[in-house]
This record gives sequence, C-alpha cells and structure tokens, in this order.
Amino acid sequence: DGGITQSPKYLFRKEGQNVTLSCEQNLNHDAMYWYRQDPGQGLRLIYYSQIVNDFQKGDIAEGYSVSREKKESFPLTVTSAQKNPTAFYLCASTKTGVGTEAFFGQGTRLTVV
Amino acid sequence: GENVGLHLPTLSVQEGDNSIINCAYSNSASDYFIWYKQESGKGPQFIIDIRSNMDKRQGQRVTVLLNKTVKHLSLQIAATQPGDSAVYFCAESQGTYKYIFGTGTRLKVLA
Repeated sequence: DGGITQSPKYLFRKEGQNVTLSCEQNLNHDAMYWYRQDPGQGLRLIYYSQIVNDFQKGDIAEGYSVSREKKESFPLTVTSAQKNPTAFYLCASTKTGVGTEAFFGQGTRLTVV
Repeated sequence: GENVGLHLPTLSVQEGDNSIINCAYSNSASDYFIWYKQESGKGPQFIIDIRSNMDKRQGQRVTVLLNKTVKHLSLQIAATQPGDSAVYFCAESQGTYKYIFGTGTRLKVLA
C-alpha cells in the first residue's frame, strides 16, 4: 500500500538535545511538508520541499532543520534552539502541481523531559 | 495527537442525524479547499475536496458547500455514525504548495 510513514510514534527529548523525526513516502510525490500541531491551533508549516535537494522555510522554521537527499525521505531535526518543542509533528506529501490533496503520515508526538 | 480537540468548538449530534460543520476561510484568492478528519493520536485523513469553480460537491455520505461571497465552507455528513466522531478541519490552497489549515471542530456522535 502506498503511503507516508513517520517514525517514531512517540519521542522523548532531554533539554539541549537534537532529535530527528523520520518521514518516508512511497507515493512518488515530489513535494513534502512538515507541520506542527498544538492544541486549539491549526497546523503550522515548518518546512517544505518541492524537489530533491531543495527546501524552503515555512512559517515557524526557527529551531528546526530538514534535508531532502532522496525523493522518498524528508527528515526533520528539532534542535536545541527550539524552545518549545513539545508538540505533535505531521509529515505530508503532495503530487506536483497545484490543487491537490495533501496526504499525511500518522504523526510523531515529541515530548521534552 | 492525543491533545487534538482540546479547546476546540464541539458539535454533538445524535446517531443517525445529519451533521453540518462550518469553516470560514481567510483568503479570497484561495482556489482549492479540502476537508480532513482527524482521530485522536492519528494523522489527518482526506474526506473531500472542492475547487473554487464549483459551489457543491458530493461524496459518499458527505457534501461540501462553498460560498465564495462570504468565504465560507461547510461539510455535511448524512446519517452520522459513531465512527464519524473525530476532529474535522478545513484547508485552503492558493495555487501554491502552501496550505492554510483551520483549527478544527470536534464532532461527537451520541448513541
């Protein structure tokens, strides 16, 4: 089955640590996205990538970094510079072109301990 | 995740009744709209979409209505079932790779 796989489902980070969230898709989609979801708020865009080896900052990129070395993979690193990293993180992908639905992974819940 | 739905408006409907969930979108230039369903601890699932050249689109048990004059989108669910209980949110797209997501409405189906 085609889809998006995020791992791990739950992740705990100590203060000052960097952690990396994995996102893999086998939908052959060109564009991939990372969103952050907090209670009572809409999804907020962290980073997105339209093609391999290219990515752009979203609305809340500070404290995060990404890479896009392969079409299938778009890992997100939450750095120690992100002061409030506890959230639910969602990865998504879309086909090339405008006006297409975003397919989402099942999310990673990150908690700072 | 498990906190999705806290502090969100809630719509409670009796099983078998019809549900109507509303969304006000932000940009009159948006030309593509999507409704998503999100269950606790899971990622959003696509329900139905509509383009700005339409004002109504129907799927299986769901209908989306678009009123561009007042920038309003609604999702109608016919014969609501317990499995429909979730948070529903709309998304708008402006012909780019960026989407704007609403905060969502929690739907509770009463047996």
